[in-house]
Amino acid sequence: QKEVEQDPGPLSVPEGAIVSLNCTYSNSAFQYFMWYRQYSRKGPELLMYTYSSGNKEDGRFTAQVDKSSKYISLFIRDSQPSDSATYLCAMRRQGGSEKLVFGKGTKLTVNP
Amino acid sequence: DADVTQTPRNRITKTGKRIMLECSQTKGHDRMYWYRQDPGLGLRLIYYSFDVKDINKGEISDGYSVSRQAQAKFSLSLESAIPNQTALYFCATSRGYGANVLTFGAGSRLTVL
Repeated sequence: QKEVEQDPGPLSVPEGAIVSLNCTYSNSAFQYFMWYRQYSRKGPELLMYTYSSGNKEDGRFTAQVDKSSKYISLFIRDSQPSDSATYLCAMRRQGGSEKLVFGKGTKLTVNP
Repeated sequence: DADVTQTPRNRITKTGKRIMLECSQTKGHDRMYWYRQDPGLGLRLIYYSFDVKDINKGEISDGYSVSRQAQAKFSLSLESAIPNQTALYFCATSRGYGANVLTFGAGSRLTVL
């Protein structure tokens, strides 16, 4: 079983839709959970991060972590064409190894 | 100017040639990383450096070498490029504490013919 699993999509939605992006993981030691957004021909940029379980909201974006299920989600409300990008989840343990484990990314297209 | 600058942005070379990808940063971060991104394989860590005197191999270091010339500069070399090193390469930096989030450069697209 891979440490982090992410459905690669592609995911295509109409403008204004609510988008749900998800990752599952196997390592219960992960404590930091991140979502990166990568536009075509650009480097990934940090969108949100959460520590341990719970929800975090930033504008139209909400990140959720369910450690009991080893499942993280990113919700995008009122999706816009400018949200079209590849979204990568990433996670790592607290302390110890510096390795950040990435999902393979989900490609999202928001159609006007 | 970008916080993390990679040069060149695009490079086409031939098998057996030596290639250097350069990265410089103005973030003031101690930690620097080189990643490779391939379709279907995601981001994979090649090398990372905690400071000028500390270099560590990542999960796919074979065929690559690095040099940390200064706190702000970290270069990746392919001594003898081969076609399966065709990929998108990213440099990243981090502070090394707290969430230790990465700041990525724009990427260097390398094609080895």
